[in-house]
Amino acid sequence: QQQVKQSPQSLIVQKGGIPIINCAYENTAFDYFPWYQQFPGKGPALLIAIRPDVSEKKEGRFTISFNKSAKQFSLHIMDSQPGDSATYFCAASRDTDKLIFGTGTRLQVFP
Amino acid sequence: EAGVTQSPTHLIKTRGQQATLRCSPISGHTSVYWYQQALGLGLQFLLWYDEGEERNRGNFPPRFSGRQFPNYSSELNVNALELEDSALYLCASRLGTGQDEQYFGPGTRLTVT
Repeated sequence: QQQVKQSPQSLIVQKGGIPIINCAYENTAFDYFPWYQQFPGKGPALLIAIRPDVSEKKEGRFTISFNKSAKQFSLHIMDSQPGDSATYFCAASRDTDKLIFGTGTRLQVFP
Repeated sequence: EAGVTQSPTHLIKTRGQQATLRCSPISGHTSVYWYQQALGLGLQFLLWYDEGEERNRGNFPPRFSGRQFPNYSSELNVNALELEDSALYLCASRLGTGQDEQYFGPGTRLTVT
């Protein structure tokens, strides 16, 4: 019940495409859902986050869609660029406790 | 504003030794979290400190321990190192009450030989 399932494991798109990464959770007590971007050899960087009372949130080219009834949320990257090539992690937490991470999606954006 | 800092960047130890990893949170942040990122195992929660107290610990053996100092910096200690402890150890800090965002440092790469 503590797991967060993330798919796909890897994703290849061309520049300008819209990669979509999906996550699903079981624990309905989770109240915070962030996405992190990690480049090789670096720590994860917070990209965007959402709470369950909102169905969509946009920050720049990044959008989170949240479906509370289905217990799913996804990250969309608009107009993807080669510089977006990184590993993306979804996560969930409850009451500012530990983050439970998905297994990660390696995104490659080709010119 | 400086981000989360961690030291050392790399640490090489032999099996059975002890390792000490350090973390300085973003100025004003009172909560510190430790995570382990081992190859193929993703990011796993280790420990959470807030206002000097341990608030939660993950499913790791007792040889993983730590503390938070009055200035909110934190230390992670790993005793009796095993080969499988080789990983990137990440520290994250959070501002405090009512704030969820955790900001990560660059990590300490621990290699156990």
